[in-house]
Amino acid sequence: DVKVTQSSRYLVKRTGEKVFLECVQDMDHENMFWYRQDPGLGLRLIYFSYDVKMKEKGDIPEGYSVSREKKERFSLILESASTNQTSMYLCASSLADTHTEAFFGQGTRLTVV
Amino acid sequence: GENVEQHPSTLSVQEGDSAVIKCTYSDSASNYFPWYKQELGKGPQLIIDIRSNVGEKKDQRIAVTLNKTAKHFSLHITETQPEDSAVYFCAAVYSGGGADGLTFGKGTHLIIQP
Repeated sequence: DVKVTQSSRYLVKRTGEKVFLECVQDMDHENMFWYRQDPGLGLRLIYFSYDVKMKEKGDIPEGYSVSREKKERFSLILESASTNQTSMYLCASSLADTHTEAFFGQGTRLTVV
Repeated sequence: GENVEQHPSTLSVQEGDSAVIKCTYSDSASNYFPWYKQELGKGPQLIIDIRSNVGEKKDQRIAVTLNKTAKHFSLHITETQPEDSAVYFCAAVYSGGGADGLTFGKGTHLIIQP
């Protein structure tokens, strides 16, 4: 059974904290993605990576960075968390060809207080 | 960049009736159009997709149509069942030889009334 696993289902952090969201996939996929999901706004792409150590900005990268040191792991970093980053964060992975299914994790509900 | 509009935001249908969700996209270069279903507490899951060289695709009760000229595509669910209740997202992307992220619509909350 293919799997994308996000390390936490729920997180509560304080404003100004550095926050790490971890994602691991076991499908040997080349592509990995971080999306943010907000009510009424759908899913918006934050960053993606098509190979180890490679990263590309998505539509809303401000306030975020990413790290991909190993093929199976993609981390999203909030350098200094702010209340407007309270959201559901979804990680996904896919094969190198964009015309293939993206598999999503269950999401991390982050609350910044 | 790509922009995807999705309508309606909420759709309520009687069990057994059909449901149609419509999306439009802005980038004529987009060539891959997947549909995802998200159940409560879960991540989105692909239910059907279509590529720009195909006008229609069907999988049991689910079908997707694509009109490249008008830049719109639709999801059709026939004989709806309670388990079809979920949020549905359309998406579009141009695959030009490199990786790229999907651009999603804002989602449709489909409610199946018993």
